[in-house]
Amino acid sequence: QQPVQSPQAVILREGEDAVINCSSSKALYSVHWYRQKHGEAPVFLMILLKGGEQKGHEKISASFNEKKQQSSLYLTASQLSYSGTYFCGTEGSNSGNTPLVFGKGTRLSVIA
Amino acid sequence: KAGVTQTPRYLIKTRGQQVTLSCSPISGHRSVSWYQQTPGQGLQFLFEYFSETQRNKGNFPGRFSGRQFSNSRSEMNVSTLELGDSALYLCASSFLTGVQETQYFGPGTRLLVL
Repeated sequence: QQPVQSPQAVILREGEDAVINCSSSKALYSVHWYRQKHGEAPVFLMILLKGGEQKGHEKISASFNEKKQQSSLYLTASQLSYSGTYFCGTEGSNSGNTPLVFGKGTRLSVIA
Repeated sequence: KAGVTQTPRYLIKTRGQQVTLSCSPISGHRSVSWYQQTPGQGLQFLFEYFSETQRNKGNFPGRFSGRQFSNSRSEMNVSTLELGDSALYLCASSFLTGVQETQYFGPGTRLLVL
């Protein structure tokens, strides 16, 4: 079941904040976040596991709400380098037998 | 440590032909997954190999197949190409298989079917 990402696209000015959501209709065990710049491969940002804590890396952090089957990616004080398409990938169990299912992505553009 | 490499990077084929794409994972990684990326469907899982065994397969027709060699390098093959197979094919490797494993993506092979 493909997770739903929102918004589909967002334009920010440098220094502004953004939130990207990833929702699933099924129970989730893990959520993976990636960023892909145009013409490049996706780059790993972070993994959140069921029962785990909110993760963060510099000004990018994420949370995982198990009850809502939703994860949110927070970008604070955005920089030009944050531009790209953000994908969430979800897994429904920890069996290792279910592949990642990715959302369609959120296109983020940061302008000066 | 070298990253994931994919060859060729670009490919043009005609309908009905077949194609083989190659992926060399990061040294020491035993899991290789393949994805198809298109503007319309986004990233879609094709299959995953771990220690030469296919562990998972996505919802793609039998024209799509793959294999993994003892050195963890992987190939995917698409037979009887269709126009809709035009896409960016990405492979990703990880040390193990499982939910806590970070996947490292290669640059992809862009396939155009005419």
